[in-house]
Amino acid sequence: DIQMTQSLASLSASLEEIVTITCQASQDIGNWLAWYQQKPGKSPQLLIHSATSLADGIPSRFSGSRSGTQYSLKISRLQVEDTGIYYCLQRYSNPWTFGGGTKLELK
Amino acid sequence: EVQLVESGGGLVQPGRSLKLSCAASGFTFSDYNMAWVRQAPTKGLEWVASISYGGSNTHYGDSVKGRFTISRDNAKSTLYLQMDSLRSEDTATYYCARYYYDVPPNYWGQGVMVTVSS
Repeated sequence: DIQMTQSLASLSASLEEIVTITCQASQDIGNWLAWYQQKPGKSPQLLIHSATSLADGIPSRFSGSRSGTQYSLKISRLQVEDTGIYYCLQRYSNPWTFGGGTKLELK
Repeated sequence: EVQLVESGGGLVQPGRSLKLSCAASGFTFSDYNMAWVRQAPTKGLEWVASISYGGSNTHYGDSVKGRFTISRDNAKSTLYLQMDSLRSEDTATYYCARYYYDVPPNYWGQGVMVTVSS
C-alpha cells in the first residue's frame, strides 16, 4: 500500500501569514493527489485535486504544488475560516490512502 | 442541489451485522462512482470501499476486505454498505461520497455513526 506522510501533526500561524502543509508519498503517485479541509463535526471539503487544480468554489488563496513525491498545499494569506484539519489523499492505486492530517490553528 | 444522506447507523455488538444506506439526490446517480470513507473518533480519515457507476467494479480497504460489501441500486439512487463480522475497531463515522474518474470525492454526506460494543 502507498503511505502518505504528513510530517506536521499541527501547525500554528498568524492571520495573513503564508502557510504551507506538506505530504510525502512513499512512491510515485503522479498527480493523483487531493487535499481536503475538515472542520470539527463536519464532512471533509475538497480543496485541490490532481495535485494543483483548485476545486470549484475554493478561494484562490489555496494552491497546490508537487515536487517529485512531495506535495504541498499553500495558503497565501491565512484567514480565520482556514482553521481545521487538512488531509492529503492519493488515488493512484487501491487502496486509496489518506495522510494522517495536519491541524492548523491560529496563533 | 447535490445531497447525500446516510442512514442505518447505531450501536451493534461485536460479530453482528449492520447495513448502511446513502440516499442521493440532485444529480444523476448512475453517472457517478461512489465511495465510503470512515473516521474513528478523534482519528483521521480512512477509505473503506468504492464502487463504479454501474456497480460492476468494487474495491475495498485491507481492514474491511471480506467483511464489508459495497453495492448500489441506481434505480433508487441509493448506495449501500453491508458490514458483517463487525469489530470494535469499526467504530467510526461513516461518510458516503461521490466521485468521478478524474475528480476525487467532492460531495460528502453528513456522516452516520456506527458504534461496535458489547
